[in-house]
Amino acid sequence: QQPVQSPQAVILREGEDAVINCSSSKALYSVHWYRQKHGEAPVFLMILLKGGEQKGHEKISASFNEKKQQSSLYLTASQLSYSGTYFCGTEGLNDYKLSFGAGTTVTVRA
Amino acid sequence: DTEVTQTPKHLVMGMTNKKSLKCEQHMGHRAMYWYKQKAKKPPELMFVYSYEKLSINESVPSRFSPECPNSSLLNLHLHALQPEDSALYLCASSQGQGNTEAFFGQGTRLTVV
Repeated sequence: QQPVQSPQAVILREGEDAVINCSSSKALYSVHWYRQKHGEAPVFLMILLKGGEQKGHEKISASFNEKKQQSSLYLTASQLSYSGTYFCGTEGLNDYKLSFGAGTTVTVRA
Repeated sequence: DTEVTQTPKHLVMGMTNKKSLKCEQHMGHRAMYWYKQKAKKPPELMFVYSYEKLSINESVPSRFSPECPNSSLLNLHLHALQPEDSALYLCASSQGQGNTEAFFGQGTRLTVV
């Protein structure tokens, strides 16, 4: 079952912040975040395993609310290199299937 | 070596052809995956191999046939494909099945004519 991502797209100026949300209707074991640039493979950003856990990668961080089955990705002080499509991937308890949301296209402009 | 290598990068095949996509990793990962990705869509899981055994088949048509000859290699055999099967086919690997980072290859861009 595919997680639901929002928003579909966001346009930022360099230095601005953004939040991407991911929610699932099933109980989750983990949430993954990947970024894919045009014509390239998805690149792993981070994985969150526990309720309330937060992680960071450069100025990109994420949280996972296990009770609500929701995760958010925070882009802070965005850089041009942050442009791309961000996918959340979720694994359910015991199914070990990494299913991706529809993606959020982020465009950072100078 | 943290790479997943896929060959070929591009493939054009007719609907009566038989071809194979190849994927290789040397990270000692025991789980390998095939995903299909259409333009502007997320990757869709097709197959998962865990310890060289097929553990997940997401109801993929039989014209796609996966094979895992050893722990480093993953093949996808294609036969009698349809034009709607044209897509980017991504291979990925991870240490184990579940809750670990997946490394993706660059993909094979497949066009069925």
